[in-house]
Formats: sequence, structure tokens, C-alpha cells
Amino acid sequence: TQLLEQSPQFLSIQEGENLTVYCNSSSVFSSLQWYRQEPGEGPVLLVTVVTGGEVKKLKRLTFQFGDARKDSSLHITAAQPGDTGLYLCAGGSNYKLTFGKGTLLTVNP
Amino acid sequence: DAGITQSPRYKITETGRQVTLMCHQTWSHSYMFWYRQDLGHGLRLIYYSAAADITDKGEVPDGYVVSRSKTENFPLTLESATRSQTSVYFCASSDGWWGSSTDTQYFGPGTRLTVL
Repeated sequence: TQLLEQSPQFLSIQEGENLTVYCNSSSVFSSLQWYRQEPGEGPVLLVTVVTGGEVKKLKRLTFQFGDARKDSSLHITAAQPGDTGLYLCAGGSNYKLTFGKGTLLTVNP
Repeated sequence: DAGITQSPRYKITETGRQVTLMCHQTWSHSYMFWYRQDLGHGLRLIYYSAAADITDKGEVPDGYVVSRSKTENFPLTLESATRSQTSVYFCASSDGWWGSSTDTQYFGPGTRLTVL
């Protein structure tokens, strides 16, 4: 069974701070996706990374896929209250995704 | 409306009753998925479907039944609901014919099910 461990589980910061959340596994995945989920809604895809060492930027969000394709990180610069939500990583293998338990981020104004 | 919809959004039922959760997508996506989301467990795959009349088990299929007679619909049935099936259920669809792991999965808004 492929498992994805996310850390930290909870994170509460002030507006303007930087943060990094991690997604680690002992398994190799063909791709790694990051989703954001807001209360009462389904997850929404933020990014997909497929190449070991790949870095993708989405405005203030920077995503990195580990060289061995077993881990990933999400870095947010100058966090804003609108970044509040549950961040989920998901490892892809064929047509199925294995999700981590998520990091619940709260950005206080 | 275009997109993926789920109904009902909220459901309360009693132990032993049969419950069907509906999922409908308008994109003609080949792949569809059912997940449950629970505190401490995250999202877990219940069943998935590669096309009409093709379904297969995911990580936690026990107590659930699915069917897919039409590409756009993927209902999930709890044959005899148990309290442990209290959860939030999400349906998702994917746009790749091959269901590649790089394809975007589009999630519905979820159904919050409570089994008393």
C-alpha cells in the first residue's frame, strides 16, 4: 500500500509570513498533485509535477517534486487569508491517486 | 449546468437502510471515482470506473455497490448502511481516455451522509 505523509497536520500563521508544507512517501510515484480544499467543497487541483527535481510556480506558491519522486513540498510566500484551506497532496500511479491526510492552513489577518 | 454535481448534498439515514448517492458529469469524461473523506484518514478511494459498464474496487469497497450504465452517471449505493459509513462522499471525474495519473480529477461538492 502506498502511503503519503503530510506535515504539519495543522498550521496557523499571520498574514505575510512564509510557510512550507511537506508530502513524503517511501514509494515512487509517476506524478504528484497538490489540491486545495475549502470548507463544504471538493478539492481543486493546483498543480501536477511529473519529473524528479521539477519546480513549478503558481503566483506565490512554489511546488517541488523530489529528485527520487517520493516527496514534494509546497512553499507559500507572503501568505494571505485567502490561502486558508486544506492542502492535499496526491501521488499518481496509473489512473489512481493516493491522497495524503492534508495540511490545514489558517492565515490570520 | 456544466460540471460535476452530486445529490443529495446532505442525507441522514438509519442503520440498515439502503442509500444511493448520485453523481452526474457533463464533460463525457471516461473515468469516474468515488471517495470518502474522514478525519484522520483523508480521502480514500471506494470505487472507480474506466468507462460505462466497467467498474473496479478501490481501497475501501466493502459495503458499497456501484454501477455505470451511462458515461455521465456513477451512482454509489450503500446496501445496508452502517454507522461507520458516516462520512463525506466525493465523486470525481477525469478527462483522459487512459486515466493517466497526470490527468486532472474534477471533484463534485460532496455529499455529507450521517447514519444513525
